[in-house]
Amino acid sequence: AQSVTQLDSHVSVSEGTPVLLRCNYSSSYSPSLFWYVQHPNKGLQLLLKYTSAATLVKGINGFEAEFKKSETSFHLTKPSAHMSDAAEYFCVVSALSTGNQFYFGTGTSLTVIP
Amino acid sequence: KAGVTQTPRYLIKTRGQQVTLSCSPISGHRSVSWYQQTPGQGLQFLFEYFSETQRNKGNFPGRFSGRQFSNSRSEMNVSTLELGDSALYLCASSLGTGGFGNQPQHFGDGTRLSIL
Repeated sequence: AQSVTQLDSHVSVSEGTPVLLRCNYSSSYSPSLFWYVQHPNKGLQLLLKYTSAATLVKGINGFEAEFKKSETSFHLTKPSAHMSDAAEYFCVVSALSTGNQFYFGTGTSLTVIP
Repeated sequence: KAGVTQTPRYLIKTRGQQVTLSCSPISGHRSVSWYQQTPGQGLQFLFEYFSETQRNKGNFPGRFSGRQFSNSRSEMNVSTLELGDSALYLCASSLGTGGFGNQPQHFGDGTRLSIL
């Protein structure tokens, strides 16, 4: 079975400081992992994906995530927050073994304080 | 390349009515998935279509149905609307072939459905 746990429902950071959004996953098989961002009244935009290649994945807008199998984690980071980063972030897991369905975390709302 | 297009963007219906939502995927994408997003339940998977066939289905009642046309465009229908069906309905497309689990889904901006 696949599942995703986003450990923080809300994170606040000051502009220019680092961002850390935490995600733990559960998967019986080799998973694919994704991070998506959603701005108000918009669809989800792909930030980055992990598909069993390099464990450190770089995405758009300066975001990156590290796949740690031993910790079953896929945390999203950014060195310096920008006001435009304020949004809802979703961690997603999928696996070929379970019909390729996407399993979404409950989301983390990121607030950036000027 | 045009993104995923969903129409209409906003819809208001009353209980008991039915509604049809439309989704045009990215050109070349053959898989279309539908999701319901609500503040209480988050993002929930409805179903996925590939080459005009429903390939995956979530845990929603039979009032929720869909179909896919030969050009990969998809429609979702909800009959006998209930207040709890008020939500943002998102459509996502992907290539859908081969290592589908490795492929990201590309989302539209959604249809916001309000039931009065």
